[in-house]
Amino acid sequence: DSGVTQTPKHLITATGQRVTLRCSPRSGDLSVYWYQQSLDQGLQFLIQYYNGEERAKGNILERFSAQQFPDLHSELNLSSLELGDSALYFCASSVGGLENTEAFFGQGTRLTVV
Amino acid sequence: GEDVEQSLFLSVREGDSSVINCTYTDSSSTYLYWYKQEPGAGLQLLTYIFSNMDMKQDQRLTVLLNKKDKHLSLRIADTQTGDSAIYFCASRQRGGADGLTFGKGTHLIIQP
Repeated sequence: DSGVTQTPKHLITATGQRVTLRCSPRSGDLSVYWYQQSLDQGLQFLIQYYNGEERAKGNILERFSAQQFPDLHSELNLSSLELGDSALYFCASSVGGLENTEAFFGQGTRLTVV
Repeated sequence: GEDVEQSLFLSVREGDSSVINCTYTDSSSTYLYWYKQEPGAGLQLLTYIFSNMDMKQDQRLTVLLNKKDKHLSLRIADTQTGDSAIYFCASRQRGGADGLTFGKGTHLIIQP
């Protein structure tokens, strides 16, 4: 158990809908990262938050957004969902921001868009 | 941007050593990681190495880094059936502003 908790584990929704994925980082970790894992693209970095502020952006679509709350949990919002958004979404956390060494991953949320 | 490459499959006999290879393109990569993903599970951090190191050993795992060739390898000694998983190589660039860049993963298949 990495200490990173993601909910829900599975989510099935229809095209055009909006969903929210939630992540609780390990106790004491200030950074939260979101990744998308799909068969064709592999693991792609989406976005990072550090202590409530956006720190880095990767290949995140404009239809997607995220935030980190004062208690350091994070939510990833996916809107106007398309079939191609079906993927495993991982959250990871680490103690520091830029030069941290270890990022621990949650179990992921499997999103299926039908 | 950074590109991380791995071969897709590796098949080894139980008890043999497994060597999973990875190449990366960005010479400013500061940390290099190996993650393990078992079926239906998340990513488990196995080990990582700083770019100023050549080797790191942790029980059955040995990581070798050839910085000149931008080549990273993970050796698993005495491979067991429980080692069957997908192994991901990942790199972090200096500053780490782009998160981790992952390879596509190597499926390690253990033959009895």
